Amino acid sequence: ELKVEQNPLFLSMQEGKNYTIYCNYSTTSDRLYWYRQDPGKSLESLFVLLSNGAVKQEGRLMASLDTKARLSTLHITAAVHDLSATYFCAVDNAGGTSYGKLTFGQGTILTVHP
Amino acid sequence: GAGVSQSPSNKVTEKGKDVELRCDPISGHTALYWYRQSLGQGLEFLIYFQGNSAPDKSGLPSDRFSAERTGGSVSTLTIQRTQQEDSAVYLCASSQDWIEQFFGPGTRLTVL
Repeated sequence: ELKVEQNPLFLSMQEGKNYTIYCNYSTTSDRLYWYRQDPGKSLESLFVLLSNGAVKQEGRLMASLDTKARLSTLHITAAVHDLSATYFCAVDNAGGTSYGKLTFGQGTILTVHP
Repeated sequence: GAGVSQSPSNKVTEKGKDVELRCDPISGHTALYWYRQSLGQGLEFLIYFQGNSAPDKSGLPSDRFSAERTGGSVSTLTIQRTQQEDSAVYLCASSQDWIEQFFGPGTRLTVL
């Protein structure tokens, strides 16, 4: 059974600081996703990582994937208040015949303080 | 263009009643997924439809849950004899290419 674990689960940051959220998963997969969720809202797709070594950046967020280590990271640079949200990683569950059945991590609640 | 839509946005029902939740995927998306988000279980996969293939029902928690997709477009998730543990936000997503899923706003179900 595929397990996806995020850490930390709660992250309180000061504006301007850097931090990294980690996502570990238990079985082979080469598709990893990062989503953002604001309170009471649905999931917004941030990054789709499709191969080992993939790195994607958007604004102050950068995501990377190491399929050999079964690890993805979401790095936050110079945090701002607008980044406060819950961040989920998700791994495609179907292996070589992937069809998008996602297993999600527990989510990381990020709060950015002035 | 229009995104994934779901209705109703909120549903309150009494224990034992049946409920139907609707999902309209993005036009042209052949894959449709249902997920459930609850405090105790987090985000869980429920069921997946791809074109005319048989759906993958492996995530449905019990036989009280069923879903259908008519004409390859609109999907309905039905929960029979609702229980309090069914209270959750039910999210629908659609995909054109099996790679990126676009999520709808969800239906918040409360079972009293």
